Formats: sequence, structure tokens, C-alpha cells
Amino acid sequence: NAGVTQTPKFQVLKTGQSMTLQCAQDMNHNSMYWYRQDPGMGLRLIYYSASEGTTDKGEVPNGYNVSRLNKREFSLRLESAAPSQTSVYFCASSSEILAKNIQYFGAGTRLSVL
Amino acid sequence: SQQGEEDPQALSIQEGENATMNCSYKTSINNLQWYRQNSGRGLVHLILIRSNEREKHSGRLRVTLDTSKKSSSLLITASRAADTASYFCATVSLIIQGAQKLVFGQGTRLTINP
Repeated sequence: NAGVTQTPKFQVLKTGQSMTLQCAQDMNHNSMYWYRQDPGMGLRLIYYSASEGTTDKGEVPNGYNVSRLNKREFSLRLESAAPSQTSVYFCASSSEILAKNIQYFGAGTRLSVL
Repeated sequence: SQQGEEDPQALSIQEGENATMNCSYKTSINNLQWYRQNSGRGLVHLILIRSNEREKHSGRLRVTLDTSKKSSSLLITASRAADTASYFCATVSLIIQGAQKLVFGQGTRLTINP
């Protein structure tokens, strides 16, 4: 049982380049999330998807787009990367079954934008 | 902006001692959660306490919640070297279609010295 899998683990981009961060979960969770974590900080929510077919903005959505491809997969796209988007990106998923609402996190993608 | 303020930002203790971390938040909440992050890894859920609960235990962990003071504390008893990690509190104010928007504090970096 892999849980939440993120690819790639590391990426270096030049300013203006685009890329897509991939996330997949195998726990049959309805909800998925994308966060960013900057040095010495907690995580901040970029976008989330309550269920397949829906997405909503979080706290820091500017410069990002997301796609909930199916129940398992939730991707994050940077259309034109900027140095301010250098960060560690985490994907998470959760289920409201048994009212647990615990989020399970992937290992993260370390992104540097030069 | 981040909801939670954690105190202290860093804590270093001897193995076997107890560690206490505090979290304050600003708005009313549905629940508060504590997560652990080992260096370079994703977050792992530790414990969830609901707004109508005052105290919860899980193994060596004890969490308290005071909604009148908008604060929570995490106590780790009989600390071990493996407890070395960053600890984050996260509050949930909104649950939308089962998805919960976690708002994280900046974390407490705990070091257990052998």
C-alpha cells in the first residue's frame, strides 16, 4: 500500500518554464490537497479537491492550476515558474469516513526556480 | 496568513524528559490536529482533538485544547531520540463536502539529545 505518491521528488526550473507536479493516492480517498512549505514555515494550502470533478482555491492559489484527473490523481501545474515559487510541495489526501478527516501526505517535491 | 502560532520555535531536551509545545490560533475551529515532520519527509498525523473536547491521549502523547483561550498544547512524555522532528499544529475551521482546509502553524523543532 503506497499511500500518497508524488513525482518528481526534485526539479529545477528556469524562470518562465512550465511543469506539472503529479500526485496519486491508492486509499480511495475523496479529497485531495496541494500545499507548499517554505523554509521555517508551516504548510500553506494552494488548492484542494473535495471530490472527483471539483477543485477550489486555498490560501495561496496565484500562479498555479490544478486538475483532478480522476479519484486517484490530482496534479498541480505551474504555467510560468517564478523564483517565488521555489518551495517544497506536498500533496495530501483524506477521507471523511468515520469522521476521521485525517490527511495523509506524500514525501514532497523540492522545486527550485532559477 | 497562518492561523497558528507555535511556541517555542525550537526545543532541545534530554532523552527521557517530557516535551511540551504550545499552539495558539485566532478563529473558531471545528478541530485541531498535530502533525510530525521528520527532516526531509512529509507530515504524519499524530492526534486530532475536536472543539468540544478538552483532552486526548494517544500513547505517550497528550493534547489539551482550551477554546476560550484559543490554545492547545502537545505533551510528549518520556522522550526518545526518535521523537526528534518538527511538530505542527493545524486548525480546521471549514469542512466543505468532506474536505477540510487545514491551516498550519510555523512549527516547533524538537531535538532529543541522547
